[in-house]
Amino acid sequence: DADVTQTPRNRITKTGKRIMLECSQTKGHDRMYWYRQDPGLGLRLIYYSFDVKDINKGEISDGYSVSRQAQAKFSLSLESAIPNQTALYFCATSDFGQGTGELFFGEGSRLTVL
Amino acid sequence: RKEVEQDPGPFNVPEGATVAFNCTYSNSASQSFFWYRQDCRKEPKLLMSVYSSGNEDGRFTAQLNRASQYISLLIRDSKLSDSATYLCVVNTYTGGFKTIFGAGTRLFVKA
Repeated sequence: DADVTQTPRNRITKTGKRIMLECSQTKGHDRMYWYRQDPGLGLRLIYYSFDVKDINKGEISDGYSVSRQAQAKFSLSLESAIPNQTALYFCATSDFGQGTGELFFGEGSRLTVL
Repeated sequence: RKEVEQDPGPFNVPEGATVAFNCTYSNSASQSFFWYRQDCRKEPKLLMSVYSSGNEDGRFTAQLNRASQYISLLIRDSKLSDSATYLCVVNTYTGGFKTIFGAGTRLFVKA
């Protein structure tokens, strides 16, 4: 089983619908992240959380919200989806205490907003 | 100007070739550097960290040039399985946490 699991893996929805992407991890890491990836652009950070009570905006947080329900769970919500939120979304975890800075990614959630 | 820039490629090389990618970064306060590999429609995975003294892992060599603000990745004796997109990643800790991904360089290794 994957250490970082995202659901759903694929989702097609319509403009204006509320969508939630969920992420769970078994790595025991405190830090969790949501990124989106678009063709020709690097991964861009949406939100990140360093522990259960910590939520921080990334560079493209508008139109998104997150919830850190537990150390192992971090969900991303689109309250009212719009077509330019069509993208590949990745959840990631890290443990900077190890000093490596390595990010561990889930397999991605492909979202299409019509 | 993008904070982290890579040549998008694609680089098309035959098996056995040596290929090199560069990545430039704009923030001189950047502190740690990485190369990730991403296969088509898959998640990125860490290939190697990049140290100031340069480092090698098998056929892969990574180097950092702080004066010119770029990192490089050299792949020797390319294999078909090396075909992927290579992402340059730069971490900056000044003024808060920031990790910037390059858009990636696509490599195709052909038989």
